[in-house]
Amino acid sequence: KQEVTQIPAALSVPEGENLVLNCSFTDSAIYNLQWFRQDPGKGLTSLLLIQSSQREQTSGRLNASLDKSSGRSTLYIAASQPGDSATYLCAVSTIGNEKLTFGTGTRLTIIP
Amino acid sequence: GAVVSQHPSWVICKSGTSVKIECRSLDFQATTMFWYRQFPKQSLMLMATSNEGSKATYEQGVEKDKFLINHASLTLSTLTVTSAHPEDSSFYICSASWQQKINTGELFFGEGSRLTVL
Repeated sequence: KQEVTQIPAALSVPEGENLVLNCSFTDSAIYNLQWFRQDPGKGLTSLLLIQSSQREQTSGRLNASLDKSSGRSTLYIAASQPGDSATYLCAVSTIGNEKLTFGTGTRLTIIP
Repeated sequence: GAVVSQHPSWVICKSGTSVKIECRSLDFQATTMFWYRQFPKQSLMLMATSNEGSKATYEQGVEKDKFLINHASLTLSTLTVTSAHPEDSSFYICSASWQQKINTGELFFGEGSRLTVL
C-alpha cells in the first residue's frame, strides 16, 4: 500500500527566502506525482504534475523534482511571497490506477 | 478548460437527515470521478471511485450504504450522505479524470463541500 509523507508538517519563513518542501513515497512504481496548493477551507489548486519518466517540472517560481528510485520529490519555491502561504500537498498515482494517494501536507506561512 | 464544480459549497443539517452533494464537470466529459473526504488538519482520503453508469467502488472502511454515489452521466456525480451524524462533518472534495488528459493521469478537482452535522 502506497504511503506518502511530507516533511515538515509546518514551515514559517520570512518573505523573500527560497524554500524547499519535501515529499516521500513508499512504492516507487508511480505513474505520476502532483503538487497541489490548498488555501484554508478551499479546494485544491494544481501546481505541477511530473510524469514518472520526468525528473522535474517548472512553473514560474516553482520547481518540482522527482527521484523515483529513492521515492522522493521536492517542491522548490523561489523568492517566497506572503501570498504563497497555504498548505501544500503532494499526491502520487500508481501504475494502472488513476487513484491519487495524498501526503499529509505542509502548512507554509510566509512572514511579511 | 477542465473545470469541476461542486454544489453546495457548504451545508449545515440536523443529525439523521440526508444530504446530497453534486459534482459536475462543466466543460468536459469525465470518464471517472473520485470522492475524497478531508477532516480538519488532515489530508485527503479517497472514499470511492465511480464510472458513469456503473456502481461505485468504495475504499476499505467506507460504508457504501451510508455514502451513496450516483454517476448518472459523464458530467455529473452525486454523493448522498444518508442519516448524517456529527462524525460525518467533514470537507468532501470530488475530482474527475478527462479522456484528453488520460495519458498524463491529471485529475481536476472541485472546490469542495463543507458538511456540518448538528
